[in-house]
Parts: sequence; C-alpha cells; structure tokens
Amino acid sequence: DAGVIQSPRHEVTEMGQEVTLRCKPISGHNSLFWYRQTMMRGLELLIYFNNNVPIDDSGMPEDRFSAKMPNASFSTLKIQPSEPRDSAVYFCASRKTGKWEQYFGPGTRLTVT
Amino acid sequence: AQSVTQLGSHVSVSEGALVLLRCNYSSSVPPYLFWYVQYPNQGLQLLLKYTTGATLVKGINGFEAEFKKSETSFHLTKPSAHMSDAAEYFCAVTLSGNTPLVFGKGTRLSVIA
Repeated sequence: DAGVIQSPRHEVTEMGQEVTLRCKPISGHNSLFWYRQTMMRGLELLIYFNNNVPIDDSGMPEDRFSAKMPNASFSTLKIQPSEPRDSAVYFCASRKTGKWEQYFGPGTRLTVT
Repeated sequence: AQSVTQLGSHVSVSEGALVLLRCNYSSSVPPYLFWYVQYPNQGLQLLLKYTTGATLVKGINGFEAEFKKSETSFHLTKPSAHMSDAAEYFCAVTLSGNTPLVFGKGTRLSVIA
C-alpha cells in the first residue's frame, strides 16, 4: 500500500507569495494531521481533521495559515502571504479509526526567502 | 492534559554499546505510548507502541521499550548500537484514538565507530 503522499517535497518561494502544500492520506484512514518541524520549536501540531472535519486548529500560528480537507483523500495547507519565519518542514500524517498510531508522510521542506 | 519529557536532546554512544533513550510521560489516565524514529530528510516512522497488555514491547531494528506505570516512564533500549541507528527519536503519548499524539522534543542519537 502507498503511504502518506505529500507534494511538493521541496518548495522555495519569496516572502509574500502564496504557498500551497498538499497531502494524500493512506486510503481508509479517516484522521489527518498537519505538523510543522523546526529546530527551535520541534514538532508542532497545526491542525487535525476527523472524517474531513477540522477538529482542532489551535496550533495554526496565524490567520495567514489555512487548511482544508475537501474529501477523504486530499488535504491542503495554505500560507498566504508567506514569511521567512514560516521556513520549516511540514508533515502530514494520517490514522485509521480504532488505531492509535499515526503514519507520516515524507514532509515538504519550505524555504521562504 | 498529557505531556512527554525526553531527557537529553543528544545522546552519543559507541558502536556495539547499549542504547538508552529516556521518556517520561504525564497523564491522568493510562496512556498509549509510542516511539518514532526519524532518519535525516525523512518522515517519522513508527518504531514500537504500547497500548495494553505486556509492558515490555519489541519494535523494529532490535529496539524495545518497557512501560513502567510506577515511574511514569517508557524508556527505549537496544542492547548493541549500530551505525545505522543514528537518527532522531521521538516519544509520544495519547489518551485515545480520537486525539492526536503529543510528541516529546526528540533525542538525537549519534553512534561513534
């Protein structure tokens, strides 16, 4: 089975530009999580969805960040406008109902110059 | 609320030596506990988990961890370190299948030849 798929793997953009990160969870998984990883702050949960519904977005740093899950097989994390401090690795993870472990994608390394 | 503390942000061991990575949790109810490993430029991979039953759990690559309720600990061990074990290790906790994992800050393991 394919794991969690994220695209792009690397993104370099200029400050002020819109950035969209994409995630395809494992088929049959109904929970999806977006994390951000930096050297300073470690692994931070940004938002998570259950059955395509956002449950907790308290980790989203600012209104510049938004996330959607239009269907069970696709989610986006958008940053508009982007800033240099948004530079980080963004991970998507998914989980199946009744299971506790989360499965992570390979991440998107975002660099904002 | 639950939390995880990993003692030591960096651990260095010689090849062939015992690996011990420490994790303590804080939880008001019996938790579910996990160890993940992250190799450079990759996502997090599940190493092992404790949910119920036997308190000594075995994972991939020869790692194991023991749940000690009296000490609120879930330390990760491996009898003999290998160069390929060099990575970042994360301890995580959750209280149910409906809430996200809460991760520790991570411990970077270096293995010296």
